[in-house]
Amino acid sequence: GAVVSQHPSWVICKSGTSVKIECRSLDFQATTMFWYRQFPKQSLMLMATSNEGSKATYEQGVEKDKFLINHASLTLSTLTVTSAHPEDSSFYICSARPIAGGGELFFGEGSRLTVL
Amino acid sequence: GENVEQHPSTLSVQEGDSAVIKCTYSDSASNYFPWYKQELGKRPQLIIDIRSNVGEKKDQRIAVTLNKTAKHFSLHITETQPEDSAVYFCAASTDSWGKLQFGAGTQVVVTP
Repeated sequence: GAVVSQHPSWVICKSGTSVKIECRSLDFQATTMFWYRQFPKQSLMLMATSNEGSKATYEQGVEKDKFLINHASLTLSTLTVTSAHPEDSSFYICSARPIAGGGELFFGEGSRLTVL
Repeated sequence: GENVEQHPSTLSVQEGDSAVIKCTYSDSASNYFPWYKQELGKRPQLIIDIRSNVGEKKDQRIAVTLNKTAKHFSLHITETQPEDSAVYFCAASTDSWGKLQFGAGTQVVVTP
């Protein structure tokens, strides 16, 4: 199947710093990628839809200035958590659909962010 | 927007028995319903999906049923095995290319 890779898989940072997480589709192109946040033992909460070449679409309650999303190419989307605080600590997962495919969504391995 | 509810939150079954997870959705326009399995610390993986033009789909020990009138769909796992232990998420979307709304998840534990 198609492969989606996230980097870093885990990151620890100090409060007030910014952290960038990359989501890459390794063997396919995707015009749309999705970013989710997952708390321990909870579901995946959609944060935003990343659109190649245009602005991301954010879900209600998600601060776009806090979670900056850039989708500069058909294989890369980045999520930047700006001025991170301990409450931003979470598991962030991206997903992507191949342009040429049946609609199946492929997930990255996730990135665990811990803000001290 | 779409709201997906999933039950039960935890399910413990003996190896060899069947497991059933149920989900309901609120948006009658939803027409794509995938199920994902997520093992601890790993990424969700699609195990089966169904579109609204069919009522049932089966893949070996896994089957999904859809009742559009009642707006609910279910996952059935037969002859459960320890490796079936994981968290299972249902999801719904207005089309297979749109964003997915996930259920809360069901922790399935299969005991030998």
